[in-house]
Amino acid sequence: AQSVSQHNHHVILSEAASLELGCNYSYGGTVNLFWYVQYPGQHLQLLLKYFSGDPLVKGIKGFEAEFIKSKFSFNLRKPSVQWSDTAEYFCAVNSDNNAGNMLTFGGGTRLMVKP
Amino acid sequence: EPEVTQTPSHQVTQMGQEVILRCVPISNHLYFYWYRQILGQKVEFLVSFYNNEISEKSEIFDDQFSVERPDGSNFTLKIRSTKLEDSAMYFCASTIGTGASTDTQYFGPGTRLTVL
Repeated sequence: AQSVSQHNHHVILSEAASLELGCNYSYGGTVNLFWYVQYPGQHLQLLLKYFSGDPLVKGIKGFEAEFIKSKFSFNLRKPSVQWSDTAEYFCAVNSDNNAGNMLTFGGGTRLMVKP
Repeated sequence: EPEVTQTPSHQVTQMGQEVILRCVPISNHLYFYWYRQILGQKVEFLVSFYNNEISEKSEIFDDQFSVERPDGSNFTLKIRSTKLEDSAMYFCASTIGTGASTDTQYFGPGTRLTVL
C-alpha cells in the first residue's frame, strides 16, 4: 500500500524567507506526485504535479518541486515566500496501478508567513 | 474558471440519521471522487465513480455509504445511519475523464459533517 509522509506539521517563516517542505512516499512502483494547497477558507488547489520527464517541476505562484527517486522524495520549494502563501500544503501520490486513480495524501503542513 | 461545488457547507445531524452530501462536479468531467478528512487526520480516499458505477472504494466505504449520480449534474454521497466517527470534512473531486492517473483532480470546498 502507498503511504505519504510530511514531516513538518507547522512551519513559520518571515516574508522573503526560502521555503522547503518535505514529502516522502513509500511505494515500489511508478508513481505520480502532486502538491495541493488549501488557502484559508478555500478548496484544495493543485500547485504542481510530476509524472515523467524532468524531475524538477515548476508550478503556479513560483513554487517548484524536485522528484528524487532514490530518496522517494518530492519536496516543495519556493525561493521567497509571501504573506499570501499562508496556507496548508498537501503532498499526494497515486499510481497507474490504482484502479480509480485514488490519491493518497500526506498529513499536510501548515505554513504561516509573518509579514 | 469552472469549480466543483458542494452543498451544504456544514451539516449537523443526530447519530443514526441518514445524510446526503451533494456535489456538482465540473460540467465536462467524467470521473468523480469522495474523500474525507477527520479533524487532525489525513485526507482519506472513500470512492471513485465513473460511467455510473464505482471504480474503486476504500475499506472505509462500507455498506453504510453509497454514491449516486441522480441526474446529469449532481453527484451524491449518502450515509445511511450516521455514527459519531463519521464526523469529518467530506470533499468531492472530479477529473476530466481520460482515465489517466495523471489527470488533475479538482476539489470542492468540502462539507463539514458533525454527528451528535
